Amino acid sequence: QQQVKQSPQSLIVQKGGISIINCAYENTAFDYFPWYQQFPGKGPALLIAIRPDVSEKKEGRFTISFNKSAKQFSLHIMDSQPGDSATYFCAAAVFGSGNTGKLIFGQGTTLQVKP
Amino acid sequence: DTAVSQTPKYLVTQMGNDKSIKCEQNLGHDTMYWYKQDSKKFLKIMFSYNNKELIINETVPNRFSPKSPDKAHLNLHINSLELGDSAVYFCASSRAQAGDGYTFGSGTRLTVV
Repeated sequence: QQQVKQSPQSLIVQKGGISIINCAYENTAFDYFPWYQQFPGKGPALLIAIRPDVSEKKEGRFTISFNKSAKQFSLHIMDSQPGDSATYFCAAAVFGSGNTGKLIFGQGTTLQVKP
Repeated sequence: DTAVSQTPKYLVTQMGNDKSIKCEQNLGHDTMYWYKQDSKKFLKIMFSYNNKELIINETVPNRFSPKSPDKAHLNLHINSLELGDSAVYFCASSRAQAGDGYTFGSGTRLTVV
């Protein structure tokens, strides 16, 4: 059972445009929602994360929007640059010491930003 | 200094062989993980250790055996390798079972021929 569903699978955006990647989750116990960025030949790296007590978090050009009632969250990349071309993963976990720390990942979105 | 280092980076081996992948972290984290990334880039957890204690053991064949000699090291041994084991294996670490701020290694690409 896929607990975190991510779309689209691939995305092509022009330089300067907005990239939007969406995720939906099923387990209402999840309370930590990170996004990871992975370049070819590298491991995933934490980009930005949100807890469900806020509806939006912004760090530079990257924004997470969170809709608890719909069990959905999304990543927006403003002013997309060719250097943003990578695979993006959303994930979810039950946060905090005493839990297993297990991250459930979405299927990934390959983003290509054209110059 | 590399925070989470894995060796080897590439591993090509024949079916039926036994191989090991080593992982070390210098972040002082208490929890370490093994994830498998398949050909479609899907990441799935395999094992997790907290202070040398196994806390997550997903539905993984018995041929896979993790070993944690101390909280900075988590190795993965695979017996009787099969073609379907070909994948990229990532080691990661985080603060004690918090689940946040995973730091991943750069991966080991295992190819079974």
